[in-house]
Amino acid sequence: DIQLTQSPSFLSASVGDRVTITCRAGQGISSYLAWYQQEPGKAPKLLIHGASTLQSGVPSRFSGSGSGTEFTLTISSLQPEDFATYYCQQLSSYPRTFGQGTKLQIK
Amino acid sequence: QVQLEQSGAEVRKPGASVKVSCKVSGYKLSELHMHWVRQAPGRSLEWMGSFDPEHGETHYAEKLQGRLTMTEDTAADAAYMELNGLRSEDTAIYYCAAGHDSWGSFIYWGHGTLVTASS
Repeated sequence: DIQLTQSPSFLSASVGDRVTITCRAGQGISSYLAWYQQEPGKAPKLLIHGASTLQSGVPSRFSGSGSGTEFTLTISSLQPEDFATYYCQQLSSYPRTFGQGTKLQIK
Repeated sequence: QVQLEQSGAEVRKPGASVKVSCKVSGYKLSELHMHWVRQAPGRSLEWMGSFDPEHGETHYAEKLQGRLTMTEDTAADAAYMELNGLRSEDTAIYYCAAGHDSWGSFIYWGHGTLVTASS
């Protein structure tokens, strides 16, 4: 199984800040990585697929980069609605593992 | 607009079975990769299984092999997840998800179904 490790697990930031979340894969997965946002009590929402392609309708302040084993999700200027939990997921092989999540909280 | 509508919350005793449905609208189920994901209270997302219609293959998480069955009724555009031998640790919100891109992304998600396994 391919393990995904996200860092940090918790992140405190303010509106307007730039934040970066890292996802490391236990082995190379090319660009087969997706990022999801989950607000409390809601289903996850796809933000980025193919490591760096923004899903339709997702604000441009979100961006993704990386390939192989190291990936990042960056939010360029935090908005109030961005305070949520973020998950990475590898789509290179089965099982389709998720990272443990990064909870983004208001400072 | 693709929508996934899941069945309602379920309560079962340990050892029982549960079947959750996921009705697809706005797209043909036969052209979607369907997935099931669960989330125990306060925990991360856990992939359970996926169906690949192009190859006719179903993949299950190893820890659920033998207890999990994913099926589809393409005529009704509905997918089903059945979990047998319920344990307290199966208490979770169960999500169906679907996609149709080359990356295999989980593009569309149902609202989730709470399954509680408790005596």
